[in-house]
Amino acid sequence: TQTVSQSDAHVTVFEGDSVELRCNYSYGGSIYLSWYIQHHGRGLQFLLKYYSGNPVVQGVNGFEAEFSKSDSSFHLRKASVHWSDSAVYFCAASMNTGYQNFYFGKGTSLTVIP
Amino acid sequence: AQTIHQWPVAEIKAVGSPLSLGCTIKGKSSPNLYWYWQATGGTLQQLFYSITVGQVESVVQLNLSASRPKDDQFILSTEKLLLSHSGFYLCAWSLVGLWAETLYFGSGTRLTVL
Repeated sequence: TQTVSQSDAHVTVFEGDSVELRCNYSYGGSIYLSWYIQHHGRGLQFLLKYYSGNPVVQGVNGFEAEFSKSDSSFHLRKASVHWSDSAVYFCAASMNTGYQNFYFGKGTSLTVIP
Repeated sequence: AQTIHQWPVAEIKAVGSPLSLGCTIKGKSSPNLYWYWQATGGTLQQLFYSITVGQVESVVQLNLSASRPKDDQFILSTEKLLLSHSGFYLCAWSLVGLWAETLYFGSGTRLTVL
């Protein structure tokens, strides 16, 4: 059973376009959802997270994500992408059942064409 | 500000040779520490985590071991490398809490086993 799934392995857009990267999760208990970005050959950088409250959370560099309990989703969005946003984006979920329970999706590679 | 330093940046090793990778966290007292392995293609697998000095929990068995000799240091090692050990190794830390809410990653070590 995959706790976190990212349906799109690759997404290509033009600079200035909007983009949505999809993430779905499967877990019935308390869950933290987060997004990370990985530029080529680098470590992962935290973008944003959600646990409770306002379902739309703002992150760095104009990224935001919206949580939906009914859809079991936590999609990442940006209104106008820049070529430097080209990277791999990972959705992650952590549960209150132990430190080992921090799961990453397989990642979505975003390519922004200048 | 917290900093996380991984060494070496890259290693090329022969099958059967030993390996030692390191990670140091500065500016945070007694963090939780993690080792992740990222295969070619991007999937992230948690290998070990540690919540205190001298205590390490194994998440998956990959013929690797980890140690935490100091509060701010996490070491990943093996006496005999396998071809399957090739990949990108990432060290991460999180705040102490009920569970890991957010991970902060180092820049990673690229390991090539020939």
